[in-house]
Formats: sequence, C-alpha cells, structure tokens
Amino acid sequence: QSALTQPASVSGSPGQSITISCTGTSSDVGGYNYVSWYQQHPGKAPKLMIYEVSNRPSGVSNRFSGSKSGNTASLTISGLQAEDEADYYCSSYTSSSIYVFGTGTKVTVL
Amino acid sequence: QLQLQESGPGLVKPSETLSLTCTVSGGSISSSSYYWGWIRQPPGKGLEWIGNIYSGGTTYYNPSLKSRVTISVDTSKKQFSLKLNSVTAADTAVYYCAKTGGVTTFSYYYYMDVWGKGTTVTVSS
Repeated sequence: QSALTQPASVSGSPGQSITISCTGTSSDVGGYNYVSWYQQHPGKAPKLMIYEVSNRPSGVSNRFSGSKSGNTASLTISGLQAEDEADYYCSSYTSSSIYVFGTGTKVTVL
Repeated sequence: QLQLQESGPGLVKPSETLSLTCTVSGGSISSSSYYWGWIRQPPGKGLEWIGNIYSGGTTYYNPSLKSRVTISVDTSKKQFSLKLNSVTAADTAVYYCAKTGGVTTFSYYYYMDVWGKGTTVTVSS
C-alpha cells in the first residue's frame, strides 16, 4: 500500500486561503468516505482536524474544511493564521482494511 | 475523557525486540465500540500506520511490517501493546498509540481521534 500523495509544502499570507491536496486510488481515497486530516505542530502529537472527508470534530475552527473529488481529497484553511503553521497529514481507510497516511504537507504562514 | 500514555524502553539494540505499552484511562479499553492502534514517525519524516487491534482481538497490520509486528490487548490492565522484532536503525522513531476507530449504533468509523503524547525509541548498540 503506497502512501497518499500530498504537496511537500504550501504557503500563504495571513487571512488568505490555502488548499492541500491528497491523492490516492480507488482502493482508498476514491473508494471510501473515510478520509481524515491531522495537524501536527513540532514536537507534538497529531491532532484530528477533519474526519469522514468533511466533518469537523468539536472544538476545531470552522476555518478548516474538507472535500473530495474522485481519488483526491482536499483540506482548505481559510483566513490563514500564524497558529496554522504546522505539518498536515491526510489518512484513508483502504480496501485491505488497513490505514494509509499521506506524505505530509508543511504549511508556512508568510 | 479518554487519555492514552505510551511507555517502554527508549533504547533498543539492533536485532532485538521493541516492546511498548499504551495505558488507557478515562474510559473502557474493553469496549467493543473502540479500535486501538499504533503509529510511528521517524525523525524528520512522516507518519506511518503500524497496525490496529479490534474488539475480539482481530488485528490488521501494515504489510511492510506485518512479519515483525504483534499488537495485543490486556483488558485487566487497561493496556494494549506493540512488539516489533528484529529491529534495525530504520525502526528509530517516535511511537504513538491512538484510538483508531470504532463502531457506533449506525456505522463504523476509521479515524484517530485520541492520541498519546508519543515515546521516542532509538535503535542503537
């Protein structure tokens, strides 16, 4: 099972919107609505930001939103803030009943 | 609320077995509603899913690690464990335990909503 493909880095200015893509196959991202997104600050454990493609856990800002089209899922951060600077990972359940993570994206707030 | 804490040796010699434990507090580990799992992150690299254990003891492992990994649960101690044998320097990583999914009244879910803080394991002689 190969890792899902994400851009290595994305950047934006405060207040702008950015989108991170996560590309898989019909056996993972495209086959299930079980895509989730995680934020990880340096030295910290990952934090769930989006589950089941587009749902936000309680306490996560509504500036974070998720979507999916075909084999590609996306995370959009609107109204970018300095605290959003972190690494982001997507994950998907797969047809083999295993999980796979994305390659990770470093978000920089300019 | 549910909290997880990893524990185990921080240094393991090459060819030996890495053994970690995750202690669950604030909730029931024996609930048939939850799945438990392990994830690791080598220094400077991304997250890698290691495996899950489901209610009843069913396990699923990353195919790349399957021949070396065992995940088990001890409900009496409210712990689940990871064993990775024949380790090499490539197994040096921060290891996280997490609640990795579960079952609700209406459906299954497959995401990691509760994480431990992580524990660093170095493989070196």
